[in-house]
Amino acid sequence: SQQGEEDPQALSIQEGENATMNCSYKTSINNLQWYRQNSGRGLVHLILIRSNEREKHSGRLRVTLDTSKKSSSLLITASRAADTASYFCATDAGAGKSTFGDGTTLTVKP
Amino acid sequence: GAVVSQHPSWVICKSGTSVKIECRSLDFQATTMFWYRQFPKQSLMLMATSNEGSKATYEQGVEKDKFLINHASLTLSTLTVTSAHPEDSSFYICSARDRVRGRNTEAFFGQGTRLTVV
Repeated sequence: SQQGEEDPQALSIQEGENATMNCSYKTSINNLQWYRQNSGRGLVHLILIRSNEREKHSGRLRVTLDTSKKSSSLLITASRAADTASYFCATDAGAGKSTFGDGTTLTVKP
Repeated sequence: GAVVSQHPSWVICKSGTSVKIECRSLDFQATTMFWYRQFPKQSLMLMATSNEGSKATYEQGVEKDKFLINHASLTLSTLTVTSAHPEDSSFYICSARDRVRGRNTEAFFGQGTRLTVV
């Protein structure tokens, strides 16, 4: 079964608003990564956060990690229509293989 | 940045035929590569771990005789879907991690292969 659960499953917002997605996992991890996937396409790597880090930023993206709660969040600020996609968290326990969450489908309306 | 190239990006084949998908790390070496499958509107599920020079490790429920994996070099892994059936239609994607950069770095994903079996 998937290790990660993401919430919400679907999120619809207006352009300019912020979008927050959450990911929970079950076992200890080495790092956690967030990916974006446009419909029918490959994965785009967004951010990697290591288990000893609590927060990382990249442009309009902010990721937090709380290892005590086994959870992570992805915040997209000032969203754009082009941010419309599915977003997945993926955990790596150290062996290199990724265990994906169920994903959040984000729709940003112009 | 590191690049993983997957080929073909899409393929349509007849039921009963076999299809080979290649995954190449273009500018790094990967002792281990991973194969995932994604059904429509679902998440990615790990199918198997491809190990250079040795047998692949398959996840529970994945038929090793159905999905043949070969990792003949440090830059190439292949997945062959044998005797494909319509239920094998899916998005297949591979990933690899740079063995030199080490354990706590991101895995790099190929662009995926859309397989349709008719």
